[in-house]
Amino acid sequence: RKEVEQDPGPFNVPEGATVAFNCTYSNSASQSFFWYRQDCRKEPKLLMSVYSSGNEDGRFTAQLNRASQYISLLIRDSKLSDSATYLCVVIDDTGGFKTIFGAGTRLFVKA
Amino acid sequence: ETGVTQTPRHLVMGMTNKKSLKCEQHLGHNAMYWYKQSAKKPLELMFVYNFKEQTENNSVPSRFSPECPNSSHLFLHLHTLQPEDSALYLCASRGRGRKAKDTQYFGPGTRLTVL
Repeated sequence: RKEVEQDPGPFNVPEGATVAFNCTYSNSASQSFFWYRQDCRKEPKLLMSVYSSGNEDGRFTAQLNRASQYISLLIRDSKLSDSATYLCVVIDDTGGFKTIFGAGTRLFVKA
Repeated sequence: ETGVTQTPRHLVMGMTNKKSLKCEQHLGHNAMYWYKQSAKKPLELMFVYNFKEQTENNSVPSRFSPECPNSSHLFLHLHTLQPEDSALYLCASRGRGRKAKDTQYFGPGTRLTVL
């Protein structure tokens, strides 16, 4: 089993739609969680942190479920500019601060 | 915009050439990373440095040779590469805390083409 797993997609949605991505992780000791966004041929950029209490930033909401070991990202009112690959990131802080990137979920938002 | 810079941004080299990629971070971080990303593929971690010491080498061929002279600078020396080494090479740095500011921040990458 991979340490971090994401549905590769692609997700094809119309503008204005709501779309949700999930990501599962295998190490229950993982401490920190993030979502990154990567545009085509560009570097990944931090989108938002993920907390147990949930984290909302405008149209984006991230949630963490430690019991089931998954994190989610919800995008409301999708824009064309949301088209990108979304990477789930899990950090194991026990000792080596190991950072594990998921393979990413591709999103295409169409007019 | 970014606290991590990489040079050059684009590089074309022959299989017999020797070249180096440079990464510099201005974030006060103490961990630095090299990643390789081939077209439409996930990130592949290559090397990790913590406080200038290499702590991870993911079975990277010896034609890639990293160097970390201090916590702010990271190099990737390239020699006798193969065409399949053509990819986007990304550098990242990270702090030691658990806040968002301490997660990995990436440079813009060097797009490498090996002829």
